[in-house]
This record gives sequence, C-alpha cells and structure tokens, in this order.
Amino acid sequence: DIQMTQSPSSVSASVGDRVTITCRASQGISSWLAWYQQKPGKAPKLLIYAASSLQSGVPSRFSGSGSGTDFTLTISSLQPEDFATYYCQQANSFPLTFGQGTRLEIK
Amino acid sequence: EVQLVESGGGLVQPGGSLRLSCAASGFTFSSYEMNWVRQAPGKGLEWVSYISSSGSTIYYADSVKGRFTISRDNAKNSLYLQMNSLRAEDTAVYYCAREGGSESTLDYWGQGTLVTVSS
Repeated sequence: DIQMTQSPSSVSASVGDRVTITCRASQGISSWLAWYQQKPGKAPKLLIYAASSLQSGVPSRFSGSGSGTDFTLTISSLQPEDFATYYCQQANSFPLTFGQGTRLEIK
Repeated sequence: EVQLVESGGGLVQPGGSLRLSCAASGFTFSSYEMNWVRQAPGKGLEWVSYISSSGSTIYYADSVKGRFTISRDNAKNSLYLQMNSLRAEDTAVYYCAREGGSESTLDYWGQGTLVTVSS
C-alpha cells in the first residue's frame, strides 16, 4: 500500500497569510494526487485533482503542485472560511490512501 | 445538482450486520464509479471500497475484506454497503463518494451516516 504523510499535522495562521501544506508518498505516484478540505461535521470537499488542477468552483487562492513523491497545497491569502482540515489522497492505485490530515487553525 | 444521500446507519452490537444505502441524483449514476469512505470519530479518512460503473470490478480495504460487500443498482440509482461481522473499530461516519474530475478522485460526497458498533 502507498503511505501518504502530510506535514505539518497542524498549523496556526492569520487571515491574509500564505500557507503551504506538504504531502509525501511512500512511492512515486506521478501526478495522481488530490487535495480535500473538511470542516467539522461536514463531508470532505475536493479542492485539487491531478496534483495541480483546480476543481470547478474552488477559489483561485488554492493551488497545488508536485509530482512523483512530493506535493504541496498552497493557500495564497487565507480567508476566514479556509480554517479547516486538509487531506491529500493518492489516486495512483488501490487501496486509495489518505494523508493523516493537516488542521489549519486561526492564530 | 449532484446529490448523494446515505442512510441505514445506527447502533449495532459487535458481530451484527447493517446495510448502508446511498441514493444518487442529479447525474447519470450508471456512468460513474463509486466508493465508500469512512471516518472514525476524531480521526482521518479511510477508504473502504470501490465499485465500477457496471459493478464488474470491486475492491476492498484489507480491514473490511471478507466482511463488507459493496453493490449497486443502476436502475434505482443506488449504492449499497452490506456490513457483516461488525467490530468496534468499524464505528465511523460512512460516506459514499463519486469518482470524477480525474481517475480515483472523489468529486462529490454524501453527508455521511454514522455507524456505531457497541454492546
């Protein structure tokens, strides 16, 4: 199975800050990576697919990059509604696996 | 509008069974692959099972293999998860999710249904 490791596990930031979350795969997955946002009590929401493609309706302040084993999710200017937990997921092979999550908190 | 609505969750004793359903609307259900993903209380996301659009290809996580069965009825626009021999560690919110956007990417999720396994 492909293991996905996110860092940091949590981060505190302020509105307007630029935040970067990283995700590392235990083996190469090309660009088969997705990012999701989850707010408490809600279902996850797809933000980024194929490592860098923005899902329809997602604000352009979200961006993704990387390929192979190392990936990043960047939020260019944090907005109040962005405080949530973020997960990466490898889409290269079954079983699909997720990172442990990164909790983005208000400083 | 794409909608996925799960039902069938509840409290069940260890060793018991439960059948989850996911009613799909707003898209051509028979054209999409579907998945179940779960989330234990306060924990991260865990993929559970996949079924192809026709139902001919199925995968399971090792943690549920031999105990859970995924199925679909394209005529009823519905996805199912039959869960047998339930354990305490199966306690979680179960989400159905559609594959879209890119292969093995989950572009729409239901609101989830809570399964609690406890005596």
